[in-house]
Amino acid sequence: GENVEQHPSTLSVQEGDSAVIKCTYSDSASNYFPWYKQELGKRPQLIIDIRSNVGEKKDQRIAVTLNKTAKHFSLHITETQPEDSAVYFCAASQRDDKIIFGKGTRLHILP
Amino acid sequence: DAGVIQSPRHEVTEMGQEVTLRCKPISGHDYLFWYRQTMMRGLELLIYFNNNVPIDDSGMPEDRFSAKMPNASFSTLKIQPSEPRDSAVYFCASSLLGGELFFGEGSRLTVL
Repeated sequence: GENVEQHPSTLSVQEGDSAVIKCTYSDSASNYFPWYKQELGKRPQLIIDIRSNVGEKKDQRIAVTLNKTAKHFSLHITETQPEDSAVYFCAASQRDDKIIFGKGTRLHILP
Repeated sequence: DAGVIQSPRHEVTEMGQEVTLRCKPISGHDYLFWYRQTMMRGLELLIYFNNNVPIDDSGMPEDRFSAKMPNASFSTLKIQPSEPRDSAVYFCASSLLGGELFFGEGSRLTVL
C-alpha cells in the first residue's frame, strides 16, 4: 500500500522567512496530494492540494510543487507569520478516496 | 450543516473496558473515514466506508477494533477490550469522492 514520508518532523523559522516541508510517496499510481494544517487542539483542515497533471500550484503565500518522476512533493510558505505555527500534514491518494497521511511537521514561527 | 459531529469529546476509561466512539458525517457525503492520531505515528487511517460499506479496514490494528456504519448518518468505532496503548485522539472525517476531507473535532481517549 501507499507510504508517505514527511520531513522534517520539526521546523523553526524566523517570522518573515520561508518554510519548506518535503514529502515522498511510494505508489506511482497516486494522483492526488493534499496538505492539511492542524492548529493546536484543533482538527486538521485542508489548505491546498495538487493533482498529478499539475507541477505547481499557488494560493497567496502558500505553494505546492510536485515531481512525479521522483515521487516527491513539497509545501512552501513564504513571508511566514505567527499564525502559520501549526502541524502540517502531507497526504497522497490513488483513487481520490483512500488518503494516506505523512507523520506531520511541527512548524514554529519565531518572533 | 453543522459539520462532522463526534462524541464523546473526551473519554477516560480503565483497561479492559469497552469504548464506543460515535460519528455523524456531513449530510450528502458518501465517504466516511476513521483516523487515529498519536505523536509517534501521526494520522493513521483505520478504516473507511463508501455509501455505508466498509472499503478498506487494513489499518485496523487488531481484532479488538471494529467499526460499523448502519446508515448514511451514523458510524461507530468500538474497542473491546481497551488497552493503554489505544490512548490517542480518534478523528472521524467525511467527504465526497475526490473532495476535501472534513474532520470532526476528535475524541480524545485515555485508557488507564
